[in-house]
Amino acid sequence: QQQVKQSPQSLIVQKGGISIINCAYENTAFDYFPWYQQFPGKGPALLIAIRPDVSEKKEGRFTISFNKSAKQFSLHIMDSQPGDSATYFCAASKGNQFYFGTGTSLTVIP
Amino acid sequence: NAGVMQNPRHLVRRRGQEARLRCSPMKGHSHVYWYRQLPEEGLKFMVYLQKENIIDESGMPKERFSAEFPKEGPSILRIQQVVRGDSAAYFCASSGPTGGPVLFGPGTRLTVL
Repeated sequence: QQQVKQSPQSLIVQKGGISIINCAYENTAFDYFPWYQQFPGKGPALLIAIRPDVSEKKEGRFTISFNKSAKQFSLHIMDSQPGDSATYFCAASKGNQFYFGTGTSLTVIP
Repeated sequence: NAGVMQNPRHLVRRRGQEARLRCSPMKGHSHVYWYRQLPEEGLKFMVYLQKENIIDESGMPKERFSAEFPKEGPSILRIQQVVRGDSAAYFCASSGPTGGPVLFGPGTRLTVL
C-alpha cells in the first residue's frame, strides 16, 4: 500500500509561473513532512519540511501548505525558474520510518 | 561536516560478480536507509538499519542482496551474482536517533555489463 501518493507525475511550467505539487498520506500518526529536490545524477537534497502543528511554511520562493484534516500537503514554487527543473519528492514520517512519494519531474520553460 | 558519504560513486561489474556499496552516515546519525532508483523512476526503499540491527528489510529482494551496519565502520549493501537488472543508482540516507531530517548521500551508480 502506497503510504504517500504524489501528483502530478510530471509538470511543465513557464518561467515566472507557479509550480504546484501535491501529496496525500494515509497514516495520521505521521508527524514530519519533508520535500526533496533531485537533479540528474545527484542525490535527493532536503528542500523544506513542515510539522503538522502549522498550516504553512515558507522559505524563499518555496512554500509548503499543509491540510491536516484532508491529510494533504503541497509544495508551491513561486516565480519558477529554469534552474528549478528537477525531480521533487515528498515524504512523510513518524520517528525513523519514512515513506516517499513517487516523484514529480518539473520542467520550467524559459 | 562531510554529510553522508558513499563510495564508490561509480561501480562497474560483470554479470555474476559481487558488488559492495559503502555508506558512512552523517556524524551523529545512527540510522541508515538504502534506496534504489532506476532511471526516470522514484526512490524504492530497500532496507533500514541501526547499528548492528536490521530494522526493516521489507524492500530488499530475498536473494542475492544483504545489508549490514556494524558497530564500527560504514554500512555495506552487498549484491551477490549481479545481473543486468541490478544496474541502478543506489542511495544511502541517514537520520538521527529520534528521527528528523533524512539526509541523502550522492549515490553509487552500479552498471552491470
